[in-house]
Amino acid sequence: GQQLNQSPQSMFIQEGEDVSMNCTSSSIFNTWLWYKQDPGEGPVLLIALYKAGELTSNGRLTAQFGITRKDSFLNISASIPSDVGIYFCAGRVISSGSARQLTFGSGTQLTVLP
Amino acid sequence: SAVISQKPSRDICQRGTSLTIQCQVDSQVTMMFWYRQQPGQSLTLIATANQGSEATYESGFVIDKFPISRPNLTFSTLTVSNMSPEDSSIYLCSVEGRLGNTEAFFGQGTRLTVV
Repeated sequence: GQQLNQSPQSMFIQEGEDVSMNCTSSSIFNTWLWYKQDPGEGPVLLIALYKAGELTSNGRLTAQFGITRKDSFLNISASIPSDVGIYFCAGRVISSGSARQLTFGSGTQLTVLP
Repeated sequence: SAVISQKPSRDICQRGTSLTIQCQVDSQVTMMFWYRQQPGQSLTLIATANQGSEATYESGFVIDKFPISRPNLTFSTLTVSNMSPEDSSIYLCSVEGRLGNTEAFFGQGTRLTVV
């Protein structure tokens, strides 16, 4: 099956700093999704990417679908305390065996220090 | 995006008992899924809930342990049967946003603790 490597596992940053995290895959994906999960909540979709090379922004968040289709990154600019949480990447391969199944990265725990 | 309501939000259960988790969506959706998230871990797909037929289980998950129902396009249940402490996890319902759209949306999860 597909494997996703997400890094870093955790980050401690100062408020106002920029953050970058990424995911790499052993397989080619057709879709990359980035989620944020707050404690006690389900993951919330931040950004969806559908084309190789696509660069998409959502406020202070920017994500890119790698040209090789095996990687993606998420950047957060000018971090604020409410950015604290766990960020997950997820990739999807459309195949006959496991059509539409998402594979999740291991998550990046972000802590923003005042 | 669809509004997904999951019940209960949390529960503490005795080992050997069973718990049924409900997932209600505010619109008809083609695909519904159930995930497990063990403490401090990522999400693992348990099964795809198929409307009108048996669920499709992923490797390592079986129907006897995790029976799933999906009577219509807006509702599904997951039962965690004969629970043990190892079943303590967050269980999440997920749906596809729209037909042909490959975004996935999640309920708030059910935090299960087995004692």
